[in-house]
Amino acid sequence: KNEVEQSPQNLTAQEGEFITINCSYSVGISALHWLQQHPGGGIVSLFMLSSGKKKHGRLIATINIQEKHSSLHITASHPRDSAVYICAVRGNFGNEKLTFGTGTRLTIIP
Amino acid sequence: EAQVTQNPRYLITVTGKKLTVTCSQNMNHEYMSWYRQDPGLGLRQIYYSMNVEVTDKGDVPEGYKVSRKEKRNFPLILESPSPNQTSLYFCASSLSLFDTEAFFGQGTRLTVV
Repeated sequence: KNEVEQSPQNLTAQEGEFITINCSYSVGISALHWLQQHPGGGIVSLFMLSSGKKKHGRLIATINIQEKHSSLHITASHPRDSAVYICAVRGNFGNEKLTFGTGTRLTIIP
Repeated sequence: EAQVTQNPRYLITVTGKKLTVTCSQNMNHEYMSWYRQDPGLGLRQIYYSMNVEVTDKGDVPEGYKVSRKEKRNFPLILESPSPNQTSLYFCASSLSLFDTEAFFGQGTRLTVV
């Protein structure tokens, strides 16, 4: 079992739909990152969370440390949101390496 | 413009021929790291550095070396490349370990034949 599991692996939705991508992890962490990889391959950092909730524009990220779970939500989805979304967790002090999920491929249809 | 620059973008080389992929950032960031991305396996961290002269292994350090002699540069060295190191490589930096925003380079597609 991977340390970081994302679901779903693939998601296709209509423009305007509310999107949820999930990330579960099995190890103790100091922080969790959400990344976006564009179809051209470039990677953009979206959020870093250690507790609670963060919002940036139409993107919302939440984390529940006790349940070892994080969600990334996209409101009013748009075709330009089509990308691979990747969750990554950072280990605790003394083991700060990053471990990644395999990503969720999101396609938004106009 | 704030950026992380990797060179080269594309490289085809032969087994055993030493190579270096350079990574440079112009944001005075302390934290830098290297990743490889492979189909079906996703991104995996190779090495990271929390500051000058401080480097640590990630998940897949075998076959790679790094150095951090100055803050802006974090080269990835393959002393004796093998075909299983054919991959897409990314360098990234952030102000500190817990900074929200990480900046990624454009990627280096390496093929070892």
